[in-house]
Amino acid sequence: DAMVIQNPRYQVTQFGKPVTLSCSQTLNHNVMYWYQQKSSQAPKLLFHYYDKDFNNEADTPDNFQSRRPNTSFCFLDIRSPGLGDAAMYLCATSARTSGGNEQFFGPGTRLTVL
Amino acid sequence: GQNIDQPTEMTATEGAIVQINCTYQTSGFNGLFWYQQHAGEAPTFLSYNVLDGLEEKGRFSSFLSRSKGYSYLLLKELQMKDSASYLCAVMDSNYQLIWGAGTKLIIKP
Repeated sequence: DAMVIQNPRYQVTQFGKPVTLSCSQTLNHNVMYWYQQKSSQAPKLLFHYYDKDFNNEADTPDNFQSRRPNTSFCFLDIRSPGLGDAAMYLCATSARTSGGNEQFFGPGTRLTVL
Repeated sequence: GQNIDQPTEMTATEGAIVQINCTYQTSGFNGLFWYQQHAGEAPTFLSYNVLDGLEEKGRFSSFLSRSKGYSYLLLKELQMKDSASYLCAVMDSNYQLIWGAGTKLIIKP
């Protein structure tokens, strides 16, 4: 089945210790997104890639970086996690960015910062 | 600024009907999405409206009025498994999704 896969599902890190979250997709979609979602809040878009074109949201902290080495994979690097970065991180894909193209989400990675 | 408003929480009874409202103010409009999100899980797509009117899909229907900046999600014959958060999201003129905070729906037997 075509899908969006995220690893790990649960990640525990220490304050300031770098962490990398991964996302892969078998949908062959052009667009990949990284969202941060805190409890009872809307998903917050961090970045998106259209093919290899990287788009950073204006309010995404420099502490967050992303890589997309190929169509199938995308990584989220948190260079120095703080307590406020504890959240669910959602990866999503869509065929295009234009209207009507739904986003397909992976199961998410729940990050805990100790 | 851009804004999506929906109620924080609603309660309904199994077998009943519930309507979840969403109002929006965005820079441009390229469609409105409804997603379902169970606790601790990722959102899953429910519906997409870009033209005014009602879209029906089984027990779920979604309505849009662009002139009023308003949508609702209608859930019929509620089941316990429908207990979840329902997120309204609008695609703006830059094709970015603007998300609401979600409505937590609690179903009681």
